[in-house]
Amino acid sequence: GENVEQHPSTLSVQEGDSAVIKCTYSDSASNYFPWYKQELGKRPQLIIDIRSNVGEKKDQRIAVTLNKTAKHFSLHITETQPEDSAVYFCAANLFKAAGNKLTFGGGTRVLVKP
Amino acid sequence: NAGVTQTPKFQVLKTGQSMTLQCAQDMNHNSMYWYRQDPGMGLRLIYYSASEGTTDKGEVPNGYNVSRLNKREFSLRLESAAPSQTSVYFCASTEGAGANVLTFGAGSRLTVL
Repeated sequence: GENVEQHPSTLSVQEGDSAVIKCTYSDSASNYFPWYKQELGKRPQLIIDIRSNVGEKKDQRIAVTLNKTAKHFSLHITETQPEDSAVYFCAANLFKAAGNKLTFGGGTRVLVKP
Repeated sequence: NAGVTQTPKFQVLKTGQSMTLQCAQDMNHNSMYWYRQDPGMGLRLIYYSASEGTTDKGEVPNGYNVSRLNKREFSLRLESAAPSQTSVYFCASTEGAGANVLTFGAGSRLTVL
């Protein structure tokens, strides 16, 4: 099955700086790579996702890049703000019509210091 | 719309006791999932139901059973709880039919003594 590794496990940045989280996956057939954000005590929520036919996707201050050859993808957060403090999870799977068996990474706790 | 509703929010069990976590969604989603979340291990899939009438094992199914009662409801049962099952459990759903975005419930914190 798929295996997703995520680094770093914790990340502390100064407000206004950039944060980068990296993930690697094992199954070359995987073609869907979402990122979820979980604020303290809350449920995970999707913040951005990318399909394997795209190398990069941006949404305001967040962007995701994908390198299918190397089997890794990254989340970039620019101009970090205190509300970006949360745990971020990457995930991967083979996109299917139903029964979406996402495999998640172990998570990165991001702390944005004011 | 409430989205995905889980009950109970908190539960303490003794080793060997049984319990059922309930999950219901009101979004007419086809697929439903149960995940457990442990520190440093992300979210691990226990069981899922691609559509009403079907269930399949995920990564960590041992010690659990599920029932897809109808399109709205998907329950998770621990027949004989063990301390290793202490975790936060999340139910989630997706539309299916090509949609991948997971909508999660608020989570259920289970402690097994």
